Amino acid sequence: QVQLVQSGTEVKKPGASVKVSCKTSGYSFSNYGISWVRQAPGQGLEWMGWINPYNGNRHSAQRLQGRVTMTTDTSTDTAYMELRSLRPDDTAVYFCATHNYYGINVWGQGTTVTVSS
Amino acid sequence: QSALTQPASVSGSPGQSISISCTETSSDVGSYDLVAWYQQHPGKAPKLMIYGVTERPSGVSNRFSGSKSGNTASLTISGLQAEDEADYYCCSYSGISTWVFGGGTRLTVL
Repeated sequence: QVQLVQSGTEVKKPGASVKVSCKTSGYSFSNYGISWVRQAPGQGLEWMGWINPYNGNRHSAQRLQGRVTMTTDTSTDTAYMELRSLRPDDTAVYFCATHNYYGINVWGQGTTVTVSS
Repeated sequence: QSALTQPASVSGSPGQSISISCTETSSDVGSYDLVAWYQQHPGKAPKLMIYGVTERPSGVSNRFSGSKSGNTASLTISGLQAEDEADYYCCSYSGISTWVFGGGTRLTVL
């Protein structure tokens, strides 16, 4: 079955960068996009952006443009999300998920990122 | 970018039916039939319950249904069960390859 397994918990200082990985299995990696969504503590879901592994096309939320980079490695069926210039309000659980025409479907388990001095 | 407005909370008793609304504030977005609903239990990843406004993924109970009228999409849960208690989020295509989530609705089963 489709599975997305994300990398482990990260603790970073303000101004640093974090890179979260998302290893996929159970489907043809190039057939579906990968979306990234985050959830601050006690808050709702925030769509961050998505990438098409087939051609590398990507789109990110306007408020994150310039700080977020999404990439994929088709040799290992893995997606990556890097967020730079971290701030305390970037503290959140970060999810990757498969993405098709209808939107987001299967989710990873989430990666907790804490930004604190 | 558009925004999606959901009620903060809804509640119902076991066996009852409830509906959660999701209103799009941008008139442009109302023309897309790309609305999905997600269920999230505490500490868990969200789970897709409805896509394409009305479609149910394989394995999702037929007690869950979706609809849309104008700029408002709705998720209806019939025959409410204790296990349905969770947070529910709508998500819609927002144009120019972007997507947006609603603020979420906490469902309490009384």
